[in-house]
Amino acid sequence: AQSVSQHNHHVILSEAASLELGCNYSYGGTVNLFWYVQYPGQHLQLLLKYFSGDPLVKGIKGFEAEFIKSKFSFNLRKPSVQWSDTAEYFCAVIRNFNKFYFGSGTKLNVKP
Amino acid sequence: DTEVTQTPKHLVMGMTNKKSLKCEQHMGHRAMYWYKQKAKKPPELMFVYSYEKLSINESVPSRFSPECPNSSLLNLHLHALQPEDSALYLCASSQGSSAGGFNEQFFGPGTRLTVL
Repeated sequence: AQSVSQHNHHVILSEAASLELGCNYSYGGTVNLFWYVQYPGQHLQLLLKYFSGDPLVKGIKGFEAEFIKSKFSFNLRKPSVQWSDTAEYFCAVIRNFNKFYFGSGTKLNVKP
Repeated sequence: DTEVTQTPKHLVMGMTNKKSLKCEQHMGHRAMYWYKQKAKKPPELMFVYSYEKLSINESVPSRFSPECPNSSLLNLHLHALQPEDSALYLCASSQGSSAGGFNEQFFGPGTRLTVL
């Protein structure tokens, strides 16, 4: 089945630790890739996106993601997390411009 | 203005009530979306409007009825809902394409719906 997989459902880190959240998708064709964040009690916000060009994408708040086409992956990274990064993170994929899929989400808790 | 606004923020309704959710954007986007998000789950697409025409209905029950009066407004009319329809209803918008395709979406804060 076509899907977007986020294997880490719940991640707990201490402040200043490095973060990597996995995202894999299971289809070929043209894909556009996104990471959204949902802070507690707030609405979904776009962190970063990949449409074409440099596969290493930099987003807001120090986040970056790398599109690796051969691995069907778009992992999210941050070198040093802060308590304020506590949120739920969703990977999303647009396939061939006409299908939009969200991953199941990864809940990140950062301990102060 | 880069916001998508939704009203009301919270709604409690009985199973026999008729109510409407409203969504508005002034970014000139020509595609608008309704999603349903249950607790601890990702948003699930319900409807897509492209250039004020319904382009996608993800097999949503007829007790949910979308309406797009103009390019800035999107409504979701609710009638005879069930308790399991209680969820956060999200609206989103994006630049449209003539092919009705998806693009980067901007989300509203949602309406928290409780059906008694």
